[in-house]
Amino acid sequence: NAGVTQTPKFQVLKTGQSMTLQCAQDMNHNSMYWYRQDPGMGLRLIYYSASEGTTDKGEVPNGYNVSRLNKREFSLRLESAAPSQTSVYFCASSHRDPQPIVQYFGPGTRLTVT
Amino acid sequence: DAKTTQPTSMDCAEGRAANLPCNHSTISGNEYVYWYRQIHSQGPQYIIHGLKNNETNEMASLIITEDRKSSTLILPHATLRDTAVYYCIVRNPADTGANSKLTFGKGITLSVRP
Repeated sequence: NAGVTQTPKFQVLKTGQSMTLQCAQDMNHNSMYWYRQDPGMGLRLIYYSASEGTTDKGEVPNGYNVSRLNKREFSLRLESAAPSQTSVYFCASSHRDPQPIVQYFGPGTRLTVT
Repeated sequence: DAKTTQPTSMDCAEGRAANLPCNHSTISGNEYVYWYRQIHSQGPQYIIHGLKNNETNEMASLIITEDRKSSTLILPHATLRDTAVYYCIVRNPADTGANSKLTFGKGITLSVRP
């Protein structure tokens, strides 16, 4: 199993450009997450998806959109990138049941917005 | 979720046991203790979790005090590759939706020296 994969690994954008971060998991997990991590800080949840076709906002959803088209893939889109969105983005997935829930993380996408 | 407190940093010699403490004095009865680690520039990695009994897996052991107000993660034979930030997280696995997020604090930086 590859686990959770993310593309691209690195990206540099100019202010106002758009892009989509891709995430896929091969563990047949129901739940998927997008987090961002800023230097010296913990992870903050951007969006969450409990299953295909459903999404919920997390702590910091402004400036982002997500899409869960199927069970495997959960994408994060920046419509108009801003320097404040410079961060490392992590995707994670987990089973909804049985409890307790363990989340498995991808390797991250390092995004710089200039 | 209950809050956790961890020392900022610690070090240990390669081949020796690393004992990482965590205080969670406000933990409630249905909250589990999870440990994750983040090696530099990588995604967080799940290590182990427990409710009240001590747990062991191929990576580590988790010792939870009888009153559940603190726990210790033990890496029995630390290697240089174990140098990372270790996060102790307390949460209720029954939390749903965006509340199922993991809240990472600052963690403890473990440095394994040759």
